[in-house]
Amino acid sequence: QVQLQESGPGLVKPSETLSLTCSVSGGSISSYYWSWIRQPPGKGLEWIGYIFYSGSTNYNPSLKSRVSISVDTSKNQFSLKLTSMIAADTAVYYCARGPTRNYLDNWGQGTLVTVSS
Amino acid sequence: QSALTQPASVSGSPGQSITISCTGTSSDAGTYNLVSWYQQHPGKAPKLMIYEDSKRPSGVSNRFSGSKSGNTASLTVSGLQAEDEADYYCCSYAGSSTLLFGGGTKLTVL
Repeated sequence: QVQLQESGPGLVKPSETLSLTCSVSGGSISSYYWSWIRQPPGKGLEWIGYIFYSGSTNYNPSLKSRVSISVDTSKNQFSLKLTSMIAADTAVYYCARGPTRNYLDNWGQGTLVTVSS
Repeated sequence: QSALTQPASVSGSPGQSITISCTGTSSDAGTYNLVSWYQQHPGKAPKLMIYEDSKRPSGVSNRFSGSKSGNTASLTVSGLQAEDEADYYCCSYAGSSTLLFGGGTKLTVL
């Protein structure tokens, strides 16, 4: 059973860049789509973007100017960078696997990121 | 892109059936047979319950079923059990390789 684990800072200052990594174990990162999704406290889910194992990416239009997702197949990891963080970016950030672009069949446990000075 | 529209809450008694709707537009749910549904218990990660409108992943109870008509997808939970109490989110492929979630529905088992 594949497992995903997010890692990164729990606290980010306004205007700084958030960097998160998702480590994939129990399966290969190849042949799948790998997404980031976030959920502000008490609110709904928002898809951030995905990367295919080959490196092609696609992002939520509302975040596209600030988001970058990369993959390191040698480490079975993929990463998220979100620039110019503001308080509204405070959320639990999840990584997830998609057998296709269209759905997400395995999720990490999530990591809370708070934006505050 | 606007979020898919879901009712804020639904409720039912044990043993009953409930249906959660998810309304999109002709640009997302209405065009593609690619709606998925996720169950989320408090403090937990979402879990895939239905994909591609009506397919059920291995291990998901057959009490959960999905359907779609026009721009509206639906998740039906039959034989309600206490453990079904959770938040449910629909998600649709929205073209241009993007995904769009609904606002979420809180299911209460009375």
